[in-house]
Amino acid sequence: NAGVTQTPKFQVLKTGQSMTLQCAQDMNHEYMSWYRQDPGMGLRLIHYSVGAGITDQGEVPNGYNVSRSTTEDFPLRLLSAAPSQTSVYFCASSLAGTEGYTFGSGTRLTVV
Amino acid sequence: GENVEQHPSTLSVQEGDSAVIKCTYSDSASNYFPWYKQELGKGPQLIIDIRSNVGEKKDQRIAVTLNKTAKHFSLHITETQPEDSAVYFCAASIGYKLSFGAGTTVTVRA
Repeated sequence: NAGVTQTPKFQVLKTGQSMTLQCAQDMNHEYMSWYRQDPGMGLRLIHYSVGAGITDQGEVPNGYNVSRSTTEDFPLRLLSAAPSQTSVYFCASSLAGTEGYTFGSGTRLTVV
Repeated sequence: GENVEQHPSTLSVQEGDSAVIKCTYSDSASNYFPWYKQELGKGPQLIIDIRSNVGEKKDQRIAVTLNKTAKHFSLHITETQPEDSAVYFCAASIGYKLSFGAGTTVTVRA
């Protein structure tokens, strides 16, 4: 039981490039979400999904795209990277989505 | 949306002393209040949580209290140990959206 697995752990992008951050969970959780963590600002919700085929926006969705084709995977896509997207990204999952969130170990993204 | 404020931003305590972190929330509809501990280079880890129909919850050296009327909740760590040094986050949830405080860096001095 690996929990929530995020790849890659580190990534450097040039402005304008696109990339996908991967997130997978093996706990059969229906709910998955993406957060970004910036110094002094805690974690902010980007997008979330309450089940396969269902996604919704969080607090800071602009510049990010998500889809949920399976229960296990919830990738986060950056369409055209900007320096403002330099951050640490965390994926989280929960059985029902209302409590008991488990976080991955994060992806540190730098956009130059 | 929900706004969660957390104080203090940094906290230094002597080993064996108690540490208290306080959070306030803005939306009275929030009904779930978890606390997370984050160590350097790792993701947040749930350490204790409380629902809005409970006033206090304790787990060994950690306790959380909730005052719904005042819309604030607190984390209490007793008999602090060096391994308690970390960043602690409070959060408040309405449905599927979890809003976090800015975090408190706790340092336990030996």
